Amino acid sequence: GQNIDQPTEMTATEGAIVQINCTYQTSGFNGLFWYQQHAGEAPTFLSYNVLDGLEEKGRFSSFLSRSKGYSYLLLKELQMKDSASYLCAVMDSNYQLIWGAGTKLIIKP
Amino acid sequence: GAVVSQHPSRVICKSGTSVKIECRSLDFQATTMFWYRQFPKKSLMLMATSNEGSKATYEQGVEKDKFLINHASLTLSTLTVTSAHPEDSSFYICSARALIVAGGLTDTQYFGPGTRLTVL
Repeated sequence: GQNIDQPTEMTATEGAIVQINCTYQTSGFNGLFWYQQHAGEAPTFLSYNVLDGLEEKGRFSSFLSRSKGYSYLLLKELQMKDSASYLCAVMDSNYQLIWGAGTKLIIKP
Repeated sequence: GAVVSQHPSRVICKSGTSVKIECRSLDFQATTMFWYRQFPKKSLMLMATSNEGSKATYEQGVEKDKFLINHASLTLSTLTVTSAHPEDSSFYICSARALIVAGGLTDTQYFGPGTRLTVL
């Protein structure tokens, strides 16, 4: 079956760095997405990786290793507003999105 | 648990026809279902929020007469794109919020795999 795994919850300190991991097993691969979702709001697109390597976008970076079925989202210089759920989703060979359950990130002062 | 399905996964139709997309929560009851549209740059736009047994709440700029939403039961919501046109071609994603937070379910949205609509 198809499966996406990411931690349920993580806690980090304001100003620090946190890495949220995502591992996947899917039938085919057409890219991996990271979304940020604040409670009660729609998800906000953060990144899309289809090739191996690191993509940096400001304080957020996303890494992909297709051979390992692994990605991570790296958040630097954490701010209180980064407290949110982070969703990992993979598009499979049929161009269907397989979603992780989301990682709730709690930022403490 | 927490599986959300969509049917069909992809559909191609002629301009002017209507297309119905189903969103089902397979193993839990959903108080609320959400419909999103994914744009080419990957952003998700919330189109509407539907609660079982009541009228959907549409986001600003979304035509309620064009995108009909019916939430007939706690496990099923449908989105009907009426008189579809090529500009309606997109990837439509639904999500469902669990009614009961128990058995490993959390008060969060569970997303469906999406439906790719192509209007010729």
